[in-house]
Amino acid sequence: SAVISQKPSRDICQRGTSLTIQCQVDSQVTMMFWYRQQPGQSLTLIATANQGSEATYESGFVIDKFPISRPNLTFSTLTVSNMSPEDSSIYLCSYRVGSRLDEQYFGPGTRLTVT
Amino acid sequence: DAKTTQPPSMDCAEGRAANLPCNHSTISGNEYVYWYRQIHSQGPQYIIHGLKNNETNEMASLIITEDRKSSTLILPHATLRDTAVYYCIVCSNDYKLSFGAGTTVTVRA
Repeated sequence: SAVISQKPSRDICQRGTSLTIQCQVDSQVTMMFWYRQQPGQSLTLIATANQGSEATYESGFVIDKFPISRPNLTFSTLTVSNMSPEDSSIYLCSYRVGSRLDEQYFGPGTRLTVT
Repeated sequence: DAKTTQPPSMDCAEGRAANLPCNHSTISGNEYVYWYRQIHSQGPQYIIHGLKNNETNEMASLIITEDRKSSTLILPHATLRDTAVYYCIVCSNDYKLSFGAGTTVTVRA
């Protein structure tokens, strides 16, 4: 599997600011995803990052709050905008090899705390 | 996607087999059963999947009932490193991976 990394690994941010999380895969991949994991909870899919087009967002998530870029087949960013304490979560990037769910891999996550 | 039901937690003794149940009574014919796990402070990791037949790999075995309404993940010789949250997921092979609450498995020495 390709190596997937995220930056930053953690951050503490003030309410009202924005943070951009970077996700890098060391080989070209077709599908990339962003998940959120709130404290003590399971993972929730935010959106599918599509190369060369707008991301596809899941119900409850909007582009103005979580803008996503996917400029090429190895890189994506997620921005958490106008943050509030409720945005404190772990944000995970994921990629899939082709369409197979048994070949989906996850990054280590970015732990965000909003004060 | 079909909904799954798992026990919230279970304990297991190190070196013994861990049997993790999952109910998925509304599974449809083209949906697979996938198991992922998430070790503390890491992203989820694929374990095994199946459609109808029982499956085995280097990590675990998956037993699916004949009516496909439930399954059991078996960790044959649990170690302390198997302590994690285990997710049973049912969906079509090319759909999006959606996580439920999972089972928190604690392996005790």
